[in-house]
Amino acid sequence: SQQGEEDPQALSIQEGENATMNCSYKTSINNLQWYRQNSGRGLVHLILIRSNEREKHSGRLRVTLDTSKKSSSLLITASRAADTASYFCATEGVIQGAQKLVFGQGTRLTINP
Amino acid sequence: EAGVVQSPRYKIIEKKQPVAFWCNPISGHNTLYWYLQNLGQGPELLIRYENEEAVDDSQLPKDRFSAERLKGVDSTLKIQPAELGDSAVYLCASSVRDGNNEQFFGPGTRLTVL
Repeated sequence: SQQGEEDPQALSIQEGENATMNCSYKTSINNLQWYRQNSGRGLVHLILIRSNEREKHSGRLRVTLDTSKKSSSLLITASRAADTASYFCATEGVIQGAQKLVFGQGTRLTINP
Repeated sequence: EAGVVQSPRYKIIEKKQPVAFWCNPISGHNTLYWYLQNLGQGPELLIRYENEEAVDDSQLPKDRFSAERLKGVDSTLKIQPAELGDSAVYLCASSVRDGNNEQFFGPGTRLTVL
């Protein structure tokens, strides 16, 4: 079973608007990562936030992490048509004695021109 | 720098047939992963290699799935015999132990079992 739960499952917005995706998880983590996947392609790493960090920025991306609520959010500002993709959060931690990266089911983002 | 290479990109087989997927990781990446991704879902880890050693194969269905990473570079994932439920995308990823924990993914092999 996958640890991350993402919300919403699908999001459709107009170009130029901001997009926010949320991720919740269940157990303690070392870090949380966000990946993007364009249709028919592999995943591309976007950003990593460590468990002792609360916020991180990279270009138009802003990630927050609240370990007390076991949740994270990914904000994409000033969205573009090229941002259309599926976005996955992935939590890295120890599960059954092994270091694992566990992915959520993803949010499908559509940017309408 | 070349990314993670996978072949074939697409494979259609009939049930009970064997199938194999190949992955060439990024040069210098000692860690290699095989994931299974069902439609509309995130990737699920099948096996992780550190060099040539399988260090986590707890989620690999060993009755029909096998993998190898001879010489600690390329890897092959095999299914024998394939079942209808094996239809999915099989992703390979690699990483280097530099503290960033970033995984680099290949484009995947889309398997259809008829």
